Amino acid sequence: AQTVTQSQPEMSVQEAETVTLSCTYDTSENNYYLFWYKQPPSRQMILVIRQEAYKQQNATENRFSVNFQKAAKSFSLKISDSQLGDTAMYFCAYRGGAQKLVFGQGTRLTINP
Amino acid sequence: EAGVAQSPRYKIIEKRQSVAFWCNPISGHATLYWYQQILGQGPKLLIQFQNNGVVDDSQLPKDRFSAERLKGVDSTLKIQPAKLEDSAVYLCASSTHRDMRNTEAFFGQGTRLTVV
Repeated sequence: AQTVTQSQPEMSVQEAETVTLSCTYDTSENNYYLFWYKQPPSRQMILVIRQEAYKQQNATENRFSVNFQKAAKSFSLKISDSQLGDTAMYFCAYRGGAQKLVFGQGTRLTINP
Repeated sequence: EAGVAQSPRYKIIEKRQSVAFWCNPISGHATLYWYQQILGQGPKLLIQFQNNGVVDDSQLPKDRFSAERLKGVDSTLKIQPAKLEDSAVYLCASSTHRDMRNTEAFFGQGTRLTVV
């Protein structure tokens, strides 16, 4: 069974700083997708960025980028120029051949003014 | 396009009572998920539907939880009888069927259940 591990329960940075959230996963599959979701206090889960495992190029979405290391099964999220609105829970998620979407435990990110 | 709708937003019940949650996925989405999210933890998949068929319910406590998706559209999740440890947010999500792996899952706002 696939597992996703986020080793940082909480992180806190100052506004405009860069922060990196870590994620590792375990799988025997070769083709899969990885996602970072954001969950603000309103509880609505929102997709931040996705990465296709067969693509070597790291995905980027404006201030958000990933560092995907397939051999190491690592998938970290970098947030540049952090903003107060980035304060939320962040979840790393895996989706493979069984189509089941598996989440990590989450990292609570606080951006301080 | 309209998002995933869930109701109610909040529910407080006493232990041993029953409760039902409703989810209306995005139109045309064949895959529907129910997750349980205990405070401070990541979402745990309870059940996954493909149209009206169950794909995965390996983590659904079948002695007390049940779910159905009649006609492959709306879905209900029921707990009977509820226990204190069922207090959590119940999230519903949906995604398209075609090339399922790369499409994101869209989430509703969830139902916060408190069992007292």
